[in-house]
Amino acid sequence: DVKVTQSSRYLVKRTGEKVFLECVQDMDHENMFWYRQDPGLGLRLIYFSYDVKMKEKGDIPEGYSVSREKKERFSLILESASTNQTSMYLCASSRSGYGYTFGSGTRLTVV
Amino acid sequence: QQQVKQSPQSLIVQKGGISIINCAYENTAFDYFPWYQQFPGKGPALLIAIRPDVSEKKEGRFTISFNKSAKQFSLHIMDSQPGDSATYFCAAKDNQGGKLIFGQGTELSVKP
Repeated sequence: DVKVTQSSRYLVKRTGEKVFLECVQDMDHENMFWYRQDPGLGLRLIYFSYDVKMKEKGDIPEGYSVSREKKERFSLILESASTNQTSMYLCASSRSGYGYTFGSGTRLTVV
Repeated sequence: QQQVKQSPQSLIVQKGGISIINCAYENTAFDYFPWYQQFPGKGPALLIAIRPDVSEKKEGRFTISFNKSAKQFSLHIMDSQPGDSATYFCAAKDNQGGKLIFGQGTELSVKP
């Protein structure tokens, strides 16, 4: 069964901490994405990557960065966590954009 | 910024009824329109998708209707069941890249 695995289901971090969210896919997909999900706002794209070491800004990249050193792993980094980054974070991968596979999400609370 | 607008935000339907969720877009460069279904505690999963060269696609109880001239598409769930209760997202893919633009989501509740 193909999978996108997010390392944590729940995280609680303090304001100002550096936070790493990890995502691993086992489908050899080129494309990987990070979204955040908030009620009434849907899924908003933070960053995406079409290949190893490549990254592109999405619609809401401020306060975030990403790293893709290996094809199967895409990390989202909150450089200095703030309370307005409390959200559900979803990672996804796809081969060509015609079928995303999502992870189960990481619910991050910043206190 | 590209947008996909989805309505309603929430929907309550009786068991056996028809659930209808609507989406509208502005970018004519979109070439693929999927719908995703998300259950609590899970990530969204692809439900059904359509390309703009067809006006309708049906898979079981789920149908997408697509109106290219109006730039609108909708999801119809026939004979809605309590197990269909979930959040539904429409999306659109730009033909120049692999990223999807999602709608705001619709929380569907099917009452027994």
